[in-house]
Amino acid sequence: DIQMTQSPSSLSASVGDRVTISCRASQSIDNYLNWYQQKPGKAPKLLIYAASSLESGVPSRFSGSGSGTDFTLTISSLQPEDFATYYCQQSYSTPPFTFGPGTKVDI
Amino acid sequence: QVQLVQSGAEVKKPGSSVKVSCKTSGTTFSSYAFSWVRQAPGQGLEWMGGIIPHYETPNNAQKFQDRVTITADEYTSTVYMELSSLRSEDTAVYYCARERRDDYGLDTFDIWGQGTMVIVSS
Repeated sequence: DIQMTQSPSSLSASVGDRVTISCRASQSIDNYLNWYQQKPGKAPKLLIYAASSLESGVPSRFSGSGSGTDFTLTISSLQPEDFATYYCQQSYSTPPFTFGPGTKVDI
Repeated sequence: QVQLVQSGAEVKKPGSSVKVSCKTSGTTFSSYAFSWVRQAPGQGLEWMGGIIPHYETPNNAQKFQDRVTITADEYTSTVYMELSSLRSEDTAVYYCARERRDDYGLDTFDIWGQGTMVIVSS
């Protein structure tokens, strides 16, 4: 199975900050990488697919980059509603689909 | 509007089984695969398995191979996940999710149900 890791596991930031979250795969996954946002008590929400494609309806302050084993999710200017946990997920080699452990972004 | 509506919370005894439903609307049921993902309290997301309703062929994670049964009813556009031999570690929120596949074979969980809490306790 492909293992996914994320760093940092948590971070503290302020409104307006630029935030970067890293995700690494245990082997090359090309660009088969998705990013999700999850708020407490809610289902995950798709933000980015294929490493860098913005899902419809997602604000443009979210962006993704990377290919192979290393990926990045960037929030260009953190907004109050962005405080949440972010997960990466690979769909290159399935089953199983595997998720990263998550990065919690708080104040 | 595409919606996945799941059944309500369950409390089960260790050793018993639970069956969670996920009713879809606003989507062409047979054109997509659907997966089940669970999340233990305070933990991350774990994929359990999925199914393409039209082919009724489930695809399960090795970890759950012997305990999970995923089925689909095309007449009611509903997907089911049954987990047997429950233990306390199965206490979690269980989500169904629609899989969207692009032209390059990349699968994305683009629509999620609201989640179903399953508590396993004696």
